[in-house]
Amino acid sequence: GENVEQHPSTLSVQEGDSAVIKCTYSDSASNYFPWYKQELGKGPQLIIDIRSNVGEKKDQRIAVTLNKTAKHFSLHITETQPEDSAVYFCAASGGSYIPTFGRGTSLIVHP
Amino acid sequence: DTAVSQTPKYLVTQMGNDKSIKCEQNLGHDTMYWYKQDSKKFLKIMFSYNNKELIINETVPNRFSPKSPDKAHLNLHINSLELGDSAVYFCASRDAGTSAGTEAFFGQGTRLTVV
Repeated sequence: GENVEQHPSTLSVQEGDSAVIKCTYSDSASNYFPWYKQELGKGPQLIIDIRSNVGEKKDQRIAVTLNKTAKHFSLHITETQPEDSAVYFCAASGGSYIPTFGRGTSLIVHP
Repeated sequence: DTAVSQTPKYLVTQMGNDKSIKCEQNLGHDTMYWYKQDSKKFLKIMFSYNNKELIINETVPNRFSPKSPDKAHLNLHINSLELGDSAVYFCASRDAGTSAGTEAFFGQGTRLTVV
């Protein structure tokens, strides 16, 4: 089955700095790579996603890159704000019906 | 309207009891899931239910059983609750019918505390 590794587990930045979270996956059949944000007391919510036929996607302050050859994908948040503080999950799916999640990154943005 | 709703939001119960968590989705999705989130925030798949096909994570104890009365519902039944079952349980759904991957929508979670 699919295995998704996510790093770092905790990321602490100053407001205005950039944050980068990295993931690797194992199943070459995976073709869809979403990123979820989980705020305290809530369920994960999609913030951006990328498909295997695209190398990069951007939406305002967030961007995701995908390297299919290396089986790496990353989330980039620029100009971080305190409200970006949350747990972020990467995931991979396509090889099966079941999305496999990374272990999560707790992002803390200090004002 | 809430896309994926689960009840209750909080559940405190004693060891040995049997309990159920309900989940409903109004998105017309064909696949529903149950995930367990532990204290370290890891989201572990428990069950996937698609077109009457149930996929079970082999590490899930058989005290846990999903029940799907129809496509919009996937309830989770837990028998003989143990302290280690304490966690947040998330229901999710997605449209897995297309060849391309699609977003999963999550419920708000049910925090289960076994005392």
